[in-house]
Amino acid sequence: AQSVTQLGSHVSVSEGALVLLRCNYSSSVPPYLFWYVQYPNQGLQLLLKYTTGATLVKGINGFEAEFKKSETSFHLTKPSAHMSDAAEYFCAVSDRGGADGLTFGKGTHLIIQP
Amino acid sequence: KAGVTQTPRYLIKTRGQQVTLSCSPISGHRSVSWYQQTPGQGLQFLFEYFSETQRNKGNFPGRFSGRQFSNSRSEMNVSTLELGDSALYLCASSGLAGNPYEQYFGPGTRLTVT
Repeated sequence: AQSVTQLGSHVSVSEGALVLLRCNYSSSVPPYLFWYVQYPNQGLQLLLKYTTGATLVKGINGFEAEFKKSETSFHLTKPSAHMSDAAEYFCAVSDRGGADGLTFGKGTHLIIQP
Repeated sequence: KAGVTQTPRYLIKTRGQQVTLSCSPISGHRSVSWYQQTPGQGLQFLFEYFSETQRNKGNFPGRFSGRQFSNSRSEMNVSTLELGDSALYLCASSGLAGNPYEQYFGPGTRLTVT
């Protein structure tokens, strides 16, 4: 069975500071990994994904994430936070067979301080 | 391309009633997945349909059911509603056969059970 752990239900950073949202996963097979963002009263928007190949993945809105197999991690970063980044962020994993859908972490609420 | 659409966006029902939610996937996508989002349990996979067949199912009681039509539109039904069924129900479509790779989410249907 797969699982995802997101460290920190709330993360607060100042505008212009580095954003780091942590995600660790467990999977018995090589995983697909995803980060989604959810704004209030909206669905989920895909930020970036790792499937195969390059372990540093670039996504939309200046976000990137690095797949580290040895650490079973897929942390999300952004060099400089913007007020518009305030939202809920979800890390998700799926096995390559897609048997169980996406397994999501509990989410991290990102707060941007002016 | 139009995104995933879900109707209705908001719904209020009474305990014991049943409800049907609708999802129209992105044109050309044949896989539709459903998720339940609650503050306590987070995002949980309900089921996935591909070519009118349920391919995968999460750990939900039989009160939760779904179907997919030949045009890939999907509906989910919840019978004998309970207070705990109050949630945001998200639909996601994917372009790859039966694989949750890169799912695109709709805005969700907010169901309130009173």
